[in-house]
Amino acid sequence: AQKITQTQPGMFVQEKEAVTLDCTYDTSDQSYGLFWYKQPSSGEMIFLIYQGSYDEQNATEGRYSLNFQKARKSANLVISASQLGDSAMYFCAMREGTGNQFYFGTGTSLTVIP
Amino acid sequence: DAGVTQSPTHLIKTRGQHVTLRCSPISGHKSVSWYQQVLGQGPQFIFQYYEKEERGRGNFPDRFSARQFPNYSSELNVNALLLGDSALYLCASSSTGTSGRLSTDTQYFGPGTRLTVL
Repeated sequence: AQKITQTQPGMFVQEKEAVTLDCTYDTSDQSYGLFWYKQPSSGEMIFLIYQGSYDEQNATEGRYSLNFQKARKSANLVISASQLGDSAMYFCAMREGTGNQFYFGTGTSLTVIP
Repeated sequence: DAGVTQSPTHLIKTRGQHVTLRCSPISGHKSVSWYQQVLGQGPQFIFQYYEKEERGRGNFPDRFSARQFPNYSSELNVNALLLGDSALYLCASSSTGTSGRLSTDTQYFGPGTRLTVL
């Protein structure tokens, strides 16, 4: 089974609108971390936001927030007030408490329309 | 502070050749991980090194090897290149290499090396 599933290959959003990018995960560990990265066409992976499995509140970082639903094993990224510079690939990733590696999903391509 | 640096930026090789990719972590970070990202997919874990020791290995053949130096920089070596090795190779650094009870250890990525095998 896939550790991270991103079901939206591509998304479009109007500038200044909010958008939600979906991510579900699969793990039997009680301790794990969930991460979102942005990858522009240049290729560099840019860290956006982190959510720990024991965190009671949803993580927020500026215009980014993470809608963490532990029972559903989902960790959706919400981008508020979209900007043209938000157009990029977005990857959800997980690190299990017992492991050393990050597991990445297949990504969602976000296009912000002026 | 400087981020993760990788060299070279681009590389073109032919089948059967050998390649060495280099990575310098963020100052103070002791862990380096390597990932392969094939076009259209998410990064796949190759290796993690911490304090010069291998801490994790992904599902890659023995043609792939790596090492970490005393200054925490790292090299990824790939022997007997195949066409399927064409990819973006990403290096990531983090402050620790331990998983512990709850890993909040964020990995910060470099710009990558784009390898083309002809």
